[in-house]
Amino acid sequence: DADVTQTPRNRITKTGKRIMLECSQTKGHDRMYWYRQDPGLGLRLIYYSFDVKDINKGEISDGYSVSRQAQAKFSLSLESAIPNQTALYFCATSSIGTEQFFGPGTRLTVL
Amino acid sequence: GDSVTQMEGPVTLSEEACLTINCTYTATGYPSLFWYVQYPGEGLQLLLKATKADDKGSNKGFEATYRKKTTSFHLEKGSVQVSDSAVYFCALQSFGNEKLTFGTGTRLTIIP
Repeated sequence: DADVTQTPRNRITKTGKRIMLECSQTKGHDRMYWYRQDPGLGLRLIYYSFDVKDINKGEISDGYSVSRQAQAKFSLSLESAIPNQTALYFCATSSIGTEQFFGPGTRLTVL
Repeated sequence: GDSVTQMEGPVTLSEEACLTINCTYTATGYPSLFWYVQYPGEGLQLLLKATKADDKGSNKGFEATYRKKTTSFHLEKGSVQVSDSAVYFCALQSFGNEKLTFGTGTRLTIIP
């Protein structure tokens, strides 16, 4: 079983719709991250959380929000999706002294 | 701020060829350096890492040496295989900072 899971794996939606991407982990890590990947830009950090009560903005948080419902769950929301949010979204987890472990990604298309 | 500059792709090589993917960085202090690999349809996996100057990370026949003088961490492999076809990302993590800064990625295709 995968240690870091993301749902859905693929999503097509329309401009203006609210979208939630979910991430769950069984690694017991306290730190969780959301990144987006765009061709030619690598991965950019959207939000990160060091524990359930700690939420921090990354370099591109505008247009996104997050919720850390439990240590193992970290959701990313697009309140009103727009086409330039079309991208591949990755969740990652870590603990002190460990590398970051990535989920398989969610491919989001906003029409 | 921190930044990573990575060799532009895509790179296409024949099987058994030598590989070098260049990576240079800008950071304050002494960062840890990483190479991640993304196989088709999958998330990123850590390939190798180095945490201090002159350290060499190695895994699956790949190597990279942390060069502080040239602020570089080039990825090398002596003989590539078709199964090495993937996107490779160089990344850094500054000391005391849990966030990773990624390069833009290099797509590698190995032809038989």
